[in-house]
Amino acid sequence: NAGVTQTPKFRVLKTGQSMTLLCAQDMNHEYMYWYRQDPGMGLRLIHYSVGEGTTAKGEVPDGYNVSRLKKQNFLLGLESAAPSQTSVYFCASSYTRTSGKYEQYFGPGTRLTVT
Amino acid sequence: RKEVEQDPGPFNVPEGATVAFNCTYSNSASQSFFWYRQDCRKEPKLLMSVYSSGNEDGRFTAQLNRASQYISLLIRDSKLSDSATYLCVVNILPYGGSQGNLIFGKGTKLSVKP
Repeated sequence: NAGVTQTPKFRVLKTGQSMTLLCAQDMNHEYMYWYRQDPGMGLRLIHYSVGEGTTAKGEVPDGYNVSRLKKQNFLLGLESAAPSQTSVYFCASSYTRTSGKYEQYFGPGTRLTVT
Repeated sequence: RKEVEQDPGPFNVPEGATVAFNCTYSNSASQSFFWYRQDCRKEPKLLMSVYSSGNEDGRFTAQLNRASQYISLLIRDSKLSDSATYLCVVNILPYGGSQGNLIFGKGTKLSVKP
């Protein structure tokens, strides 16, 4: 049981390049989330998904897209990276119908630098 | 008023001390409350869930006061390994259209010294 995993762990991009961050969970969670964390800002929700095939915008969605084609995977895409997207990105998952609880479990994070 | 507010600290305490963190939240409809800890350059990890008026887990006690919209975390007999940032987390309804969405406070930094 690996929990929540993220790839890659580190990445450096040049402005304008694109990339996809992959999140996978093996806890059969219904909900998945992408956050970014910047110094002094706390965790901010980018996008989330309440089930396979559904996604929704969070607090800071601009410049990002997501897809959830399989229940266990949640992808975050940056189509044209900007220096303002330099951050640590965390994926999280939560909720099963049997537990009815909303604790979120986090992946180890991806450190992205855009130059 | 910020949705989840915490004292940023840092709290610098000696080993063995008792330390308390406070948190206030703005939405009276919130139903789920949590404390997470985050070590430097690591992911947040769930420390405690608070589904009723409070609960205790070893040296850690969390209390919830719904009338005052206030949550606290008490750490007794603090250890060096308790040094971390403690995040107060609340679900805000109908934030984002999903009751699973959580709002994270910016955290209180704790440093336990020998």
